[in-house]
Amino acid sequence: EAQVTQNPRYLITVTGKKLTVTCSQNMNHEYMSWYRQDPGLGLRQIYYSMNVEVTDKGDVPEGYKVSRKEKRNFPLILESPSPNQTSLYFCASSQPTGRTTGELFFGEGSRLTVL
Amino acid sequence: GENVEQHPSTLSVQEGDSAVIKCTYSDSASNYFPWYKQELGKRPQLIIDIRSNVGEKKDQRIAVTLNKTAKHFSLHITETQPEDSAVYFCAASMNYGGSQGNLIFGKGTKLSVKP
Repeated sequence: EAQVTQNPRYLITVTGKKLTVTCSQNMNHEYMSWYRQDPGLGLRQIYYSMNVEVTDKGDVPEGYKVSRKEKRNFPLILESPSPNQTSLYFCASSQPTGRTTGELFFGEGSRLTVL
Repeated sequence: GENVEQHPSTLSVQEGDSAVIKCTYSDSASNYFPWYKQELGKRPQLIIDIRSNVGEKKDQRIAVTLNKTAKHFSLHITETQPEDSAVYFCAASMNYGGSQGNLIFGKGTKLSVKP
């Protein structure tokens, strides 16, 4: 089954404790992206990647890191989480179609709480 | 970079009425405009998209129109049903490749359809 898998789905952690949210897609997609969703603020992009070893900042990259060593994986790293990073996180991927990003497929989301 | 504004932020209609959500974009080079629907507690999913060489596209009760001169596009839902209640996001992007091919989302519209 074609899917984008995020782990963990739910996490409660404490300030300063490094954590990684994994994202894996099995559709051989070129484009991958991370978003955070907070009430009233929509989907804000954190980082995106247009191919292996190519990553770029989105609107809200501060406090996050990413890597794209393999096509299928795009982990989101919070080196020193803070309470303002409490949010719902979505990973998404797509295969560019023609000259566009193509349809984005989203993971189920990861709800992160930082105490 | 591209900026996408979406209005209204909330919209309430009676079942059977029509709903219209409008988005404007800033960069005339944008050429791809998808709409995503996010039901409560679920991930966003693509419902319809349009490319800049097309002025209108329909799929059953939903349609999207694009006005390139005015740099705005709209989602139209006719004969609304309770299951249309969700948050709708518009987005825009330019040619894929380089940072300008990134997909930029509006802040979302919460549509409520009252029985």
